[in-house]
Amino acid sequence: SQQGEEDPQALSIQEGENATMNCSYKTSINNLQWYRQNSGRGLVHLILIRSNEREKHSGRLRVTLDTSKKSSSLLITASRAADTASYFCATGAWDSNYQLIWGAGTKLIIKP
Amino acid sequence: ETGVTQTPRHLVMGMTNKKSLKCEQHLGHNAMYWYKQSAKKPLELMFVYNFKEQTENNSVPSRFSPECPNSSHLFLHLHTLQPEDSALYLCASSPFGQSYEQYFGPGTRLTVT
Repeated sequence: SQQGEEDPQALSIQEGENATMNCSYKTSINNLQWYRQNSGRGLVHLILIRSNEREKHSGRLRVTLDTSKKSSSLLITASRAADTASYFCATGAWDSNYQLIWGAGTKLIIKP
Repeated sequence: ETGVTQTPRHLVMGMTNKKSLKCEQHLGHNAMYWYKQSAKKPLELMFVYNFKEQTENNSVPSRFSPECPNSSHLFLHLHTLQPEDSALYLCASSPFGQSYEQYFGPGTRLTVT
């Protein structure tokens, strides 16, 4: 069953603006991960945040996790054309045999 | 993408054909996975291998048959597929288990005619 659900499904912004994507999930988790996928290619791991962490940074990426609301957000600052891609969240949980459960993704388009 | 390779990148096959997808990881990981990605659907986990042993089979039809001869190689054997099996098939690996970050190959775009 689908665990992570990204919001919005699609997002189009101007280059240089910040992009925010959200992910909600249903059950308790061990960690939450964000991945990027360029059109028709494999996924690339961006960042992993554990359930006892609230915020994590990596370059222009900032991820927050609110376990009380069962939600996470991915912020990309100062967006670039190369950030155009689909972004997926995936959750890992003890009670799902550590199987990563994936959302359907947010399609991000950066307009030059 | 460079740590996990997949061949072929594109495959067109008829419903009566038999073909195989190959995945190789050069990262020294213990776990390998096959995923199916269809348009506008979440990623579907098909099979998991941990230390060459299959640990997950998510109700995948028998027309898909995985093989893991060693920790670095993973195959997906295909036979008598249906048009709805057309999708992007992704291979991934991870160092310790499913809850850890996964490294994906570029995928095989499969079209069943």
